Amino acid sequence: GQQLNQSPQSMFIQEGEDVSMNCTSSSIFNTWLWYKQDPGEGPVLLIALYKAGELTSNGRLTAQFGITRKDSFLNISASIPSDVGIYFCAGQAAGNKLTFGGGTRVLVKP
Amino acid sequence: EPEVTQTPSHQVTQMGQEVILRCVPISNHLYFYWYRQILGQKVEFLVSFYNNEISEKSEIFDDQFSVERPDGSNFTLKIRSTKLEDSAMYFCASSSLYEQYFGPGTRLTVT
Repeated sequence: GQQLNQSPQSMFIQEGEDVSMNCTSSSIFNTWLWYKQDPGEGPVLLIALYKAGELTSNGRLTAQFGITRKDSFLNISASIPSDVGIYFCAGQAAGNKLTFGGGTRVLVKP
Repeated sequence: EPEVTQTPSHQVTQMGQEVILRCVPISNHLYFYWYRQILGQKVEFLVSFYNNEISEKSEIFDDQFSVERPDGSNFTLKIRSTKLEDSAMYFCASSSLYEQYFGPGTRLTVT
């Protein structure tokens, strides 16, 4: 089946830093979605991307749909403590089924 | 803001018992989904439902699983005879088209 490789698996942030994570796949997706999941809760939709090359922002979040349709990245600018959580990319190929990446765990530097 | 709701938040059951997980999708959405997440792992697709029938299902969704939309608001997932490996968070999601909105999940623990 389709696989999404998400990196990094985890990262430490300091308040004010910019954060970047990405997903790559060996197959093409038609839609990319980015979600954030806090402990014990469901994934919350952050950004949806529909066209190759599309760059979309939502507040301090920016995401891009790769030109090849096989990758996407998410940037968080000027991170704040509530950015801590797990971020998942998810792709849709044919049909509406979402294939999720393994997640990027964002933690605060002690 | 409309949201997907799920009940119960936590269900403990014994192996071999039947469980029904319930969801109320966002009211004007047409597509409904179940996903599961085993502790510490990625979210996995189980099944999608549209126009009162299953539109797609994964290998996980075997004949022990079934879904139903018994009325205009509820969407249920039934596991007929639970196994230990069914222990996971189960998420319901709904969409009007591509953007899927997830519920808070039901934690299923099979003992």
